[in-house]
Amino acid sequence: SQTIHQWPATLVQPVGSPLSLECTVEGTSNPNLYWYRQAAGRGLQLLFYSVGIGQISSEVPQNLSASRPQDRQFILSSKKLLLSDSGFYLCAWTSGSYEQYFGPGTRLTVT
Amino acid sequence: GEDVEQSLFLSVREGDSSVINCTYTDSSSTYLYWYKQEPGAGLQLLTYIFSNMDMKQDQRLTVLLNKKDKHLSLRIADTQTGDSAIYFCAETSNRDDKIIFGKGTRLHILP
Repeated sequence: SQTIHQWPATLVQPVGSPLSLECTVEGTSNPNLYWYRQAAGRGLQLLFYSVGIGQISSEVPQNLSASRPQDRQFILSSKKLLLSDSGFYLCAWTSGSYEQYFGPGTRLTVT
Repeated sequence: GEDVEQSLFLSVREGDSSVINCTYTDSSSTYLYWYKQEPGAGLQLLTYIFSNMDMKQDQRLTVLLNKKDKHLSLRIADTQTGDSAIYFCAETSNRDDKIIFGKGTRLHILP
């Protein structure tokens, strides 16, 4: 069966520090991968999605970037965090059937 | 662009039926989804419906789709305390690989 992992589960980082959040999927190949941010426990904002290795689509201009170095690995990064980057970051995947499955999320607090 | 709208809050007495409503704007929507998010957790796919269907029932859950009015609803029969969560409506189309989410409806269960 397919599973999706995200780490870390929680993160507290100072303003101006770098960020790296990782997401991996098991049990499927060539999935579409997504990063969402949920601010203040409400609403989902699509940040990035990827349909293949090295292919990244950005939905909103911002302080973040994404990379997909391997088929089932999706990384969200920042060189310098802002206070406004705080939120709950969710990774998700789909594979052909249009069913989208979410990881457990990473809660990021920028101080 | 595509948009998905939901009311933000719903309060229901335990044992009653809950009906969560959603409207969307994309007439080319192919799949419509309902997700459940419990506090601090990722999103759990509850059910989805193809755009050529009017209704789908799965145990206590009934999804109704009015494609003409672009209206989707989720009915939860015999609402229980464990149903307390945020429910997200979402849609996707054949045009791209994105799933568009509403802001979520927080379901509160009254004793």
